[in-house]
Amino acid sequence: DTGVSQNPRHKITKRGQNVTFRCDPISEHNRLYWYRQTLGQGPEFLTYFQNEAQLEKSRLLSDRFSAERPKGSFSTLEIQRTEQGDSAMYLCASSSGGVYGYTFGSGTRLTVV
Amino acid sequence: GNSVTQMEGPVTLSEEAFLTINCTYTATGYPSLFWYVQYPGEGLQLLLKATKADDKGSNKGFEATYRKETTSFHLEKGSVQVSDSAVYFCALSDRSNAGNMLTFGGGTRLMVKP
Repeated sequence: DTGVSQNPRHKITKRGQNVTFRCDPISEHNRLYWYRQTLGQGPEFLTYFQNEAQLEKSRLLSDRFSAERPKGSFSTLEIQRTEQGDSAMYLCASSSGGVYGYTFGSGTRLTVV
Repeated sequence: GNSVTQMEGPVTLSEEAFLTINCTYTATGYPSLFWYVQYPGEGLQLLLKATKADDKGSNKGFEATYRKETTSFHLEKGSVQVSDSAVYFCALSDRSNAGNMLTFGGGTRLMVKP
């Protein structure tokens, strides 16, 4: 088990382009979370899945954002028509539930130019 | 709603100094409390946790006590090392929410000088 894996580590894109990130959680974890962290700030919740079901989405998740978790395994986060304000670190985490915290991936840093 | 406030950094200390990073919270329910650490270039790692009032979480020499009366969860370490240099995040999880989403503070950067 190599923990939570995120790809790519870095992504630079031009404004208006679409980007997609991938997260591979710990295999036995049924919950998967996406957070966004801007420079100098703490992570903010975006959305979470239990198995393949997307159960909650933050107001931060505009209609340009979409997340999927087909078959309850890996997850993708797509941002359409990127804006400079989307520049941030996108963090994925997984857990088996309960109050014991998550395992985070190293994140994907997005820069929109 | 839920919120976490922690002291702004950076906090700069000499090796073997005593560390305190203050954290206070506001929660609608009865939260679990966490400290996460983020080393340069790495993801967030759970440092310690406490799930009920007066619980003390501890790990790697760090401690924090869940104080419900003052809504606080201050992080302490008696003698810091250069390797403790990192960003520390206080967070809560509201157990009334089935998803256990985390609400984070803004982070406190700790720099330890030899």
